[in-house]
Amino acid sequence: DTGVSQDPRHKITKRGQNVTFRCDPISEHNRLYWYRQTLGQGPEFLTYFQNEAQLEKSRLLSDRFSAERPKGSFSTLEIQRTEQGDSAMYLCASSSWGGGENEQYFGPGTRLTVT
Amino acid sequence: AQSVTQPDIHITVSEGASLELRCNYSYGATPYLFWYVQSPGQGLQLLLKYFSGDTLVQGIKGFEAEFKRSQSSFNLRKPSVHWSDAAEYFCAVVVMKTSYDKVIFGPGTSLSVIP
Repeated sequence: DTGVSQDPRHKITKRGQNVTFRCDPISEHNRLYWYRQTLGQGPEFLTYFQNEAQLEKSRLLSDRFSAERPKGSFSTLEIQRTEQGDSAMYLCASSSWGGGENEQYFGPGTRLTVT
Repeated sequence: AQSVTQPDIHITVSEGASLELRCNYSYGATPYLFWYVQSPGQGLQLLLKYFSGDTLVQGIKGFEAEFKRSQSSFNLRKPSVHWSDAAEYFCAVVVMKTSYDKVIFGPGTSLSVIP
């Protein structure tokens, strides 16, 4: 397995357009996380899936954002009616189980630029 | 509220010099602590983690970190820096929720290495 992959790596869109990002986690991992990282900041938690169930959403995830993980494998993050403030790096991570000390493996991220 | 601070936004060191990156956390219970590194265009890679036991933790690439409960600190050290260590470094604390592990990242410290 080559790790967590994300597609696309870069996306430039005009304000008001919809965008969708994809994350493919490590195959045996049942936990999947989405984070957003703005310039000069650490990643901030957006949402969490255990298998196909979305169990937690941050207040950062406005109603323009939606995430899915059909069949508990890959996940998509969609942003509707993009705004310039949505410009950021969107990171996906996966882990095999919880317990605090278990590592989350991160993908390379999708950099979104809204013009 | 749980939080992580990294007092140094940017550090510059000469190649071969020693390095210490500071991290302070705020968390009521026994913390699970991580250090991640992010190179340009790359995802976050785990350097090391602490969750119990010996307070001096060894990681990859010659890094180590020391957990000091009395100071709420988890500083990262390396005795001799290589040019390839230039990157962004993030300290993180894991908050164990009912259904998932929430990772709270610090703002990061950018490391530059002078040849």
